[in-house]
Amino acid sequence: DVQLVESGGGLVQPGGSLRLSCAASGFTFSNYALSWVRQAPGKGLEWVLGISGSDGSTNYADSVKGRFTISRDNSKNTLYLQMNSLRVEDTAVYYCAKGHQSTYGYYFDYWGQGTLVTVSS
Amino acid sequence: DIQMTQSPSTLSASVGDRVTITCRASQSIGPWLAWYQHKPGKGPKLLIYRASSLERGVPSRFSGSESGTEFTLTINSLQPDDFATYYCQQYYHIWGLTFGGGTRVDIK
Repeated sequence: DVQLVESGGGLVQPGGSLRLSCAASGFTFSNYALSWVRQAPGKGLEWVLGISGSDGSTNYADSVKGRFTISRDNSKNTLYLQMNSLRVEDTAVYYCAKGHQSTYGYYFDYWGQGTLVTVSS
Repeated sequence: DIQMTQSPSTLSASVGDRVTITCRASQSIGPWLAWYQHKPGKGPKLLIYRASSLERGVPSRFSGSESGTEFTLTINSLQPDDFATYYCQQYYHIWGLTFGGGTRVDIK
């Protein structure tokens, strides 16, 4: 069975940094695109970053460009999200989601349970 | 960016009802639309992809359709397990994926 397990969430001050991880199993990790999708309290889903499976190319939502970085380690079947210069409005549950194919233009066929990031002083 | 406008934002219904949720794209996206069900404390669950294809394991009471830039999710004979929030997502735009605002289905 496909499993995606996020970790690394927590409380951080504005301007701080945090690194999230997503451990994957049950599929050939390098063959699929992956994304981070977040949900702020009381709000809907927002796609924030994606990384392809084929060449590791990345794309970002404008709201996080220049502050967040997505990466993957295919040898460890793990996806990462490095978050810098965090803002109060980055407070959200962050989900790791698997794309249905290797390249962009994908829907998400599996999701993790999410990890909560709280940015507050 | 492609905007996805979902309606209604909240819907009250009873077990056994037929429920319809609509998602409108700001431009043509072909059939490249997915629907998800989301419950508190869990990750979203894929229901429909390519506008009308039912994901494996999803009950047949869920169906999707498209007409131009308007997409519809229909739940026939609503069941207790179906009370949740539903989202559409376009995947036409390769440089940015966008979700609709969500529709919460409540018990009437």
